[in-house]
Amino acid sequence: AQTVTQSQPEMSVQEAETVTLSCTYDTSESDYYLFWYKQPPSRQMILVIRQEAYKQQNATENRFSVNFQKAAKSFSLKISDSQLGDAAMYFCAYRTPDSGGYQKVTFGTGTKLQVIP
Amino acid sequence: DTEVTQTPKHLVMGMTNKKSLKCEQHMGHRAMYWYKQKAKKPPELMFVYSYEKLSINESVPSRFSPECPNSSLLNLHLHALQPEDSALYLCASSQEKASSYNEQFFGPGTRLTVL
Repeated sequence: AQTVTQSQPEMSVQEAETVTLSCTYDTSESDYYLFWYKQPPSRQMILVIRQEAYKQQNATENRFSVNFQKAAKSFSLKISDSQLGDAAMYFCAYRTPDSGGYQKVTFGTGTKLQVIP
Repeated sequence: DTEVTQTPKHLVMGMTNKKSLKCEQHMGHRAMYWYKQKAKKPPELMFVYSYEKLSINESVPSRFSPECPNSSLLNLHLHALQPEDSALYLCASSQEKASSYNEQFFGPGTRLTVL
């Protein structure tokens, strides 16, 4: 079974600074997908960024980028120029390519990010 | 329309009540999910429907009864719940094919309190 570990329960960052959230996972699969989801307080969960395991190039989405190290099974999220709206719970997630008509996602335990004005 | 809607937003019920949670999406997704989320914890998968058929039941107690009346709607019927069932209940939907650009879209959740 796959496991996803986020070793930082809480983190804080000054507004406009950069912060990195850590995620490691364990799998015997060679092909899979990784995601970072953001869940602001009392608001719905949204996808921040995704990475296919077969792609060596790290994904980027505006101020969000990942450092994907397949051999180390590491998938960290970097948030640049942090904004107050980035304050949220961040979940790292793993998904296998094919689950037969649906997607089974394994979530990490989450990191609560506080942005300090 | 990339939205999953859930009603009600908040629900308070007694242990003898019967209530239902509703979820709706119009993205043409054929896979729909119910998750339970406790405070500061990740979502825990409860049920998965694929093409309106139950594909996964993660050993959920029978006091939770899912229903998928059509491809756009997903219900969760609640009966004789316990206080420990108080949580945020999230609905999600996705395309049935697990290619890289298919993701799960989440609703805002129903905050359930069982007294």
